[in-house]
Amino acid sequence: EVQLVESGGGLVQPGGSLTLSCAASGFIVSDSYMNWVRQAPGKGLEWVATIYSGDSTTYADSVKGRFTISRDSSKNTLYLQMNSLRAEDTAVYYCARRLTFGGQGTLVTVSS
Amino acid sequence: DIQMTQSPSSLSASVGDRVTITCRTSQIINNFLNWYQQIPGKSPKLLIYSTSTLQSGVPSRFSGSGSGTVFTLTISTLQPEDFATYYCQQSYLTPYTFGQGTKLEI
Repeated sequence: EVQLVESGGGLVQPGGSLTLSCAASGFIVSDSYMNWVRQAPGKGLEWVATIYSGDSTTYADSVKGRFTISRDSSKNTLYLQMNSLRAEDTAVYYCARRLTFGGQGTLVTVSS
Repeated sequence: DIQMTQSPSSLSASVGDRVTITCRTSQIINNFLNWYQQIPGKSPKLLIYSTSTLQSGVPSRFSGSGSGTVFTLTISTLQPEDFATYYCQQSYLTPYTFGQGTKLEI
């Protein structure tokens, strides 16, 4: 059974950093393209980043240069390193295997 | 970026009704159109991908169709558990944009 469990969210000050994790089971993270998608409170879904099977990556313009998506095959885990955080980055962050979400998300709040 | 326009933004319906949600894209996406259902507090659930392919485990009352720049999600006979928010998404070109959502209410 495919499972995804996000973690690492929390309260951080503007300009701060945070790393989100997405622990996967039931499949190998390096064999699939993986995504991060976020949802600001009361708002719709916003695609954030994708890492493809060959490890190439792509980002939304709103996070390019600040966020880095990566994965660790030995831990079967996907990551999102977030730097220079802004208030508008406040959201629940979800990971997805291809088009399928599985976790409950992790809340990131950027506030002083 | 490819713009996604869903209509309506909200919809009131009753159990047993047939409902249709429309998604228009700003350019051709070669049928790389997906539909999600989201219940408050839960992660999005994939219903349909590639315009019309039903995700495994999704009830057959859900169907998708369309071509070019106009796509639809139809729920043939609404059930109580279908009252949720629905999103379309294109996975043809990055950024993989979502529609603004359609809230389906009783």
